[in-house]
Amino acid sequence: GAVVSQHPSWVICKSGTSVKIECRSLDFQATTMFWYRQFPKQSLMLMATSNEGSKATYEQGVEKDKFLINHASLTLSTLTVTSAHPEDSSFYICSASKGGVGFEQFFGPGTRLTVL
Amino acid sequence: RKEVEQDPGPFNVPEGATVAFNCTYSNSASQSFFWYRQDCRKEPKLLMSVYSSGNEDGRFTAQLNRASQYISLLIRDSKLSDSATYLCVVNPGNQFYFGTGTSLTVIP
Repeated sequence: GAVVSQHPSWVICKSGTSVKIECRSLDFQATTMFWYRQFPKQSLMLMATSNEGSKATYEQGVEKDKFLINHASLTLSTLTVTSAHPEDSSFYICSASKGGVGFEQFFGPGTRLTVL
Repeated sequence: RKEVEQDPGPFNVPEGATVAFNCTYSNSASQSFFWYRQDCRKEPKLLMSVYSSGNEDGRFTAQLNRASQYISLLIRDSKLSDSATYLCVVNPGNQFYFGTGTSLTVIP
């Protein structure tokens, strides 16, 4: 199969701190990784698409300086929420694709972020 | 206009019923289509890809209508375990777009 892990699965932090979320493809090399956020009872909203070794492509309305994405290898991408505020509290999910954008995505289990 | 439109439901159906979901998309250049299932507070999991000729996997049938730009998912003989949110996903080439999801509850 294709397994994607995410760490941490759950984090609570104070307002103003930064939180880093890791996304790893465990048994395959991910050409492309995606970051989503999901608010309660809403659908997934794509935040950014990243390819290994290049800058992430952010969706309209997503602040690239606030949500820093690093895709340093074919198996690891990180999302850092800088200076987190309560409105950033959400479920953050990453996914990875073996073959690029047009191929099936395998999702990580998600990270639930609560900012106090 | 949204890239993907999906009826949010909820759909409440008795066990054994047949239920169908539709999802329309706006970009006629879309090439890849998928149905994902998401359980509460969990990540989406691929249910099935949608092929041009239509495809079936057990009780699940997916169809694509390019002329009308919609995809559908049919679930036959609903089980309690089918209760979840079903997300359609459309890929016009360089991005994935998710529908808002359709909530299904199968009632005993």
